[in-house]
Amino acid sequence: DGGITQSPKYLFRKEGQNVTLSCEQNLNHDAMYWYRQDPGQGLRLIYYSQIVNDFQKGDIAEGYSVSREKKESFPLTVTSAQKNPTAFYLCASSGVQETQYFGPGTRLLVL
Amino acid sequence: GQQVMQIPQYQHVQEGEDFTTYCNSSTTLSNIQWYKQRPGGHPVFLIQLVKSGEVKKQKRLTFQFGEAKKNSSLHITATQTTDVGTYFCAGPRNNNDMRFGAGTRLTVKP
Repeated sequence: DGGITQSPKYLFRKEGQNVTLSCEQNLNHDAMYWYRQDPGQGLRLIYYSQIVNDFQKGDIAEGYSVSREKKESFPLTVTSAQKNPTAFYLCASSGVQETQYFGPGTRLLVL
Repeated sequence: GQQVMQIPQYQHVQEGEDFTTYCNSSTTLSNIQWYKQRPGGHPVFLIQLVKSGEVKKQKRLTFQFGEAKKNSSLHITATQTTDVGTYFCAGPRNNNDMRFGAGTRLTVKP
């Protein structure tokens, strides 16, 4: 059963804490993406990766970090430097056709 | 940098009425994609348009790509409550990532 999985579905962060959001895909896609969506807003690109061991900053990378050690996995860390992290985080992957397949998302809330 | 603008931001219709959302890019696009996000869900790919002037239909949905490949539209005929959601257009940028429009949020009154 192919697709993208994200975990957890909900995540709570305390002040000054780093948290990591998981994203895994078994679609054999080279490219993976992280987006942030605020209520009633569109999608803003945080980071993307075209290939293993390489990634690029998107439009709002400050306060976030990523790694791409495996083709299947693209975890996102929300660091304490991100002062307004409450949002819906969406991971996506794409193959040659550039169509993006999205995971179910993680809702991050600050305690 | 490249901008992708969508209008309107919100649209509320009576069930059975038609709906159209428009997408405009500041630069020529190699292709344009449309996605639908149901409330509480994640965006799901609907269609990709590649050719200048292309028109594609999916049941009650009609997608158009402008002749200059800088604008696109999605038209829904006779809306149903199942059409509720936010519709996004997206176009590729130079760095091989996608630029999404802000989306049009459609609500349908039964």
